[in-house]
Amino acid sequence: GEKVEQHESTLSVREGDSAVINCTYTDTASSYFPWYKQEAGKSLHFVIDIRSNVDRKQSQRLIVLLDKKAKRFSLHITATQPEDSAIYFCAASANSGTYQRFGTGTKLQVVP
Amino acid sequence: NAGVIQTPRHKVTGKGQEATLWCEPISGHSAVFWYRQTIVQGLEFLTYFRNQAPIDDSGMPKERFSAQMPNQSHSTLKIQSTQPQDSAVYLCASSLGTGSSAETLYFGSGTRLTVL
Repeated sequence: GEKVEQHESTLSVREGDSAVINCTYTDTASSYFPWYKQEAGKSLHFVIDIRSNVDRKQSQRLIVLLDKKAKRFSLHITATQPEDSAIYFCAASANSGTYQRFGTGTKLQVVP
Repeated sequence: NAGVIQTPRHKVTGKGQEATLWCEPISGHSAVFWYRQTIVQGLEFLTYFRNQAPIDDSGMPKERFSAQMPNQSHSTLKIQSTQPQDSAVYLCASSLGTGSSAETLYFGSGTRLTVL
């Protein structure tokens, strides 16, 4: 079946450095790629998304890149802060699909 | 706005017992999703309602799981004859429900089900 794969299960960066989390997808019809953040003991909340009509989107310190040819997208967090520490989930869905398919999550630890 | 409300937060059942999980979506949202989260499998889609109608239940284990949405303000997920492998965090999410999956999901805090 169709999959979304998240390549880094854990990632540790120093405060102030950048963090990059990579995902790939298999469904060529995928057109919407959201990212969600899950802080310790809490549920998921949306952080940023990108649609297939663009290849880059930025919201403050978050940048999402999309490479449709490689079926790959990534979340870049610049100037990381301790509050960025969390599990990040990528997801993908097709316009004609009914639900978002999630990656397995990347636990990001920002070390002071 | 209180967000998506899920009750109970924790539920412990014995093997073979029934568990009913409740979800109240955000007011005005017409799409409700159920996902299951485990360490091993990550987030697995279970089922989806739009305007209270079941749209896609392709992720539901057919024999023991059922979901309903009797009105726009709540949905239930029922697991009959619970098994240890059903232990997971069950997440409910709602969205505006425009008919596309390309919209932000708002998640509840989840129900942690433990089957002994």
